[in-house]
Amino acid sequence: DTAVSQTPKYLVTQMGNDKSIKCEQNLGHDTMYWYKQDSKKFLKIMFSYNNKELIINETVPNRFSPKSPDKAHLNLHINSLELGDSAVYFCASRLTRASGYGYTFGSGTRLTVV
Amino acid sequence: DAKTTQPPSMDCAEGRAANLPCNHSTISGNEYVYWYRQIHSQGPQYIIHGLKNNETNEMASLIITEDRKSSTLILPHATLRDTAVYYCIVDMNRDDKIIFGKGTRLHILP
Repeated sequence: DTAVSQTPKYLVTQMGNDKSIKCEQNLGHDTMYWYKQDSKKFLKIMFSYNNKELIINETVPNRFSPKSPDKAHLNLHINSLELGDSAVYFCASRLTRASGYGYTFGSGTRLTVV
Repeated sequence: DAKTTQPPSMDCAEGRAANLPCNHSTISGNEYVYWYRQIHSQGPQYIIHGLKNNETNEMASLIITEDRKSSTLILPHATLRDTAVYYCIVDMNRDDKIIFGKGTRLHILP
């Protein structure tokens, strides 16, 4: 299936741990994103990469480090997890500079820090 | 901040048309109007987009006013599965971020 896939779907971990979330898209899109949805359901951009180049880096703690090994993958590594990092993280991709292409989102990773 | 304004919630009877309004009075000439929806616990889903003309696809219709300052998403025959938060977004089709507002929570009533 053509899609944006994230793993894992659920992640429960203790404070202070380091964890990674992986994202892959097989749509041939050139730009990938990470969004965070908090408990109030607001969706906020965190990062975007275009062809492996960092384009957007919002005001996110430097404990969060995205890595894009190729344009089909954008992983998110989080160091020293804190309670406030608990949220649902969505990966997305799109084909930019071409009309008619919206974002395709993954199904999300629900991170719970205890 | 989001450049769009939407009502926080709406109800619609099952089988009727759901008309979701959106104001985007500061939209610029090269910005498109996009609609997404988020069904509970899922990722946002693209619905439709347009620049100036009205658009229709298998999911919905998009009506954009002539001055482009507002638009309406129409779900012609709403079903219970259309219960979701609907987001109206203006976007220039670049690698810039899109900014989600609070959206409209649509309740489909049986």
